[in-house]
Amino acid sequence: AQSVSQHNHHVILSEAASLELGCNYSYGGTVNLFWYVQYPGQHLQLLLKYFSGDPLVKGIKGFEAEFIKSKFSFNLRKPSVQWSDTAEYFCAVKDNTDKLIFGTGTRLQVFP
Amino acid sequence: EAGVTQFPSHSVIEKGQTVTLRCDPISGHDNLYWYRRVMGKEIKFLLHFVKESKQDESGMPNNRFLAERTGGTYSTLKVQPAELEDSGVYFCASSLMNTGELFFGEGSRLTVL
Repeated sequence: AQSVSQHNHHVILSEAASLELGCNYSYGGTVNLFWYVQYPGQHLQLLLKYFSGDPLVKGIKGFEAEFIKSKFSFNLRKPSVQWSDTAEYFCAVKDNTDKLIFGTGTRLQVFP
Repeated sequence: EAGVTQFPSHSVIEKGQTVTLRCDPISGHDNLYWYRRVMGKEIKFLLHFVKESKQDESGMPNNRFLAERTGGTYSTLKVQPAELEDSGVYFCASSLMNTGELFFGEGSRLTVL
């Protein structure tokens, strides 16, 4: 069965620090990859997605992610975080059955 | 344009009672999904409707859970009778056919005492 691993469960950073959240998936076929974010009190929303093409994907709010097929990874990065990035981040993979498989989420706290 | 709406936002019931959660997808979205997150765990797939048909219900935990989408518009998820382990946040999402992006509602938090 497909699975998604997010290794960092809770990350605490100061503003302006760089961020990298790890994501690995187990599915060996063609995948679509996603990062979703849930800000406090809000619904899950899409940060970025990878379907094909350039493995470096740019998303909203300065986030980017790199798809490395050989490592089954899709890590999320941001060069300089802000207090408003405090949220929970979810990596997800969509396989050929049309459903999203999510990781356990990473809670990010950014302090001013 | 209205997003995915879910009702109620929070429900507290006693073990053995029944609860019905409702999801209104974005208008025109044929795909509708239910997911559940138990505290601290991953967001787990429950089932997928395409219009009014159940495309995949492999994630439904047991026969105490019943999902419907009559007419291919809104969907309901009924839990009867509720057990303690059913507590969690139930998310609904919708999407257009053949697109990758799911749009999520804010979730319905269910607490079973």
